[in-house]
Amino acid sequence: ETGVTQTPRHLVMGMTNKKSLKCEQHLGHNAMYWYKQSAKKPLELMFVYNFKEQTENNSVPSRFSPECPNSSHLFLHLHTLQPEDSALYLCASSQTQGTNYGYTFGSGTRLTVV
Amino acid sequence: QKEVEQNSGPLSVPEGAIASLNCTYSDRGSQSFFWYRQYSGKSPELIMSIYSNGDKEDGRFTAQLNKASQYVSLLIRDSQPSDSATYLCAVNTYNQGGKLIFGQGTELSVKP
Repeated sequence: ETGVTQTPRHLVMGMTNKKSLKCEQHLGHNAMYWYKQSAKKPLELMFVYNFKEQTENNSVPSRFSPECPNSSHLFLHLHTLQPEDSALYLCASSQTQGTNYGYTFGSGTRLTVV
Repeated sequence: QKEVEQNSGPLSVPEGAIASLNCTYSDRGSQSFFWYRQYSGKSPELIMSIYSNGDKEDGRFTAQLNKASQYVSLLIRDSQPSDSATYLCAVNTYNQGGKLIFGQGTELSVKP
């Protein structure tokens, strides 16, 4: 496997469910990111991890809980979501936070909350 | 004022024409600028990066940067229908801890 892999590709969950999104990067990068992309809105940065440490939480509601066990893996744990949380959730990685070289994105998880 | 602004479009150009996509940013401390292409239902793909004032060419793509005017653009020469996508401008805001801030994207449609 190469690049940034996200699973699952699609997820439908009820408002009372608990689910997790997984991201794995095979690029040797040390920074990982979660972005939310809603229709007609810019990509919204949610969380940043640099060398496994969370360096940014962009005022994300607590129903979203990130976990970064090592520099290659990133999770987003979801519970008691709202319908407005339906969106494309993108994971990205970069050499380090603040790198000059841009981010590599995974394919995303299309989340629908019913 | 939005941190990174783009005209959402849609921008429609005929096949073979030059498509011009524009982006302005608010953080004067920004030093790295990127253009991503996103096809419908897909994730963003990095196509150009630029760090210095002036032009940078890569195949049919040319990125232009003017830091004094806080303006970055992407030109696509000989546009093809396969170029139809949303183009995202991203700026690395060192003054805010070095993270990429994205514009809302410009939808480009190239008509055969």
